[in-house]
Amino acid sequence: KQEVTQIPAALSVPEGENLVLNCSFTDSAIYNLQWFRQDPGKGLTSLLLIQSSQREQTSGRLNASLDKSSGRSTLYIAASQPGDSATYLCAPLRNTDKLIFGTGTRLQVFP
Amino acid sequence: SQTIHQWPATLVQPVGSPLSLECTVEGTSNPNLYWYRQAAGRGLQLLFYSVGIGQISSEVPQNLSASRPQDRQFILSSKKLLLSDSGFYLCASNVAGRRGTQYFGPGTRLLVL
Repeated sequence: KQEVTQIPAALSVPEGENLVLNCSFTDSAIYNLQWFRQDPGKGLTSLLLIQSSQREQTSGRLNASLDKSSGRSTLYIAASQPGDSATYLCAPLRNTDKLIFGTGTRLQVFP
Repeated sequence: SQTIHQWPATLVQPVGSPLSLECTVEGTSNPNLYWYRQAAGRGLQLLFYSVGIGQISSEVPQNLSASRPQDRQFILSSKKLLLSDSGFYLCASNVAGRRGTQYFGPGTRLLVL
């Protein structure tokens, strides 16, 4: 059974800092991994999808890396802004078409 | 990309009352559809998923049920709500067979009193 852990559970930083959010999963037989953002009381917004054959994926100030063999993915946020404040979720996908979600990292960026 | 609509946005229901939450998808045909629940302070739990009309798989035993009467319509129902059914319900979809990006709707917040 796939288990997904995200560290840290919460993070509070001043704006401008570069951030690292970690995700680990127990079953490395995945097809891809998605990173999502969830604002309070809202649905999930997909940020990045990394295929199992890829090492990393970039979108703007976001960069996600994947080390499938060790069961780890990392989301880097460069030059953080208050608008980045949200909960970040990672979710690996196995061959069942079902995502397994971590419990998330709650990020607060203050001015 | 796909757009997912959910309604209602918020619902307050008494224990024992019925429930019907609706989800519709635009921008794709024959999608995989999913219902998730997010309880307060907890992670996302997959409740049901569907790969086609009338095809529903249940992930956890509960007093909820799901139906897919049309290709891009997914309904979550209950005959009698429990207090423990309170939570944030999210509908999601992705393109069948491609294992690509999963898109989420805005969610329905359900409070059972």
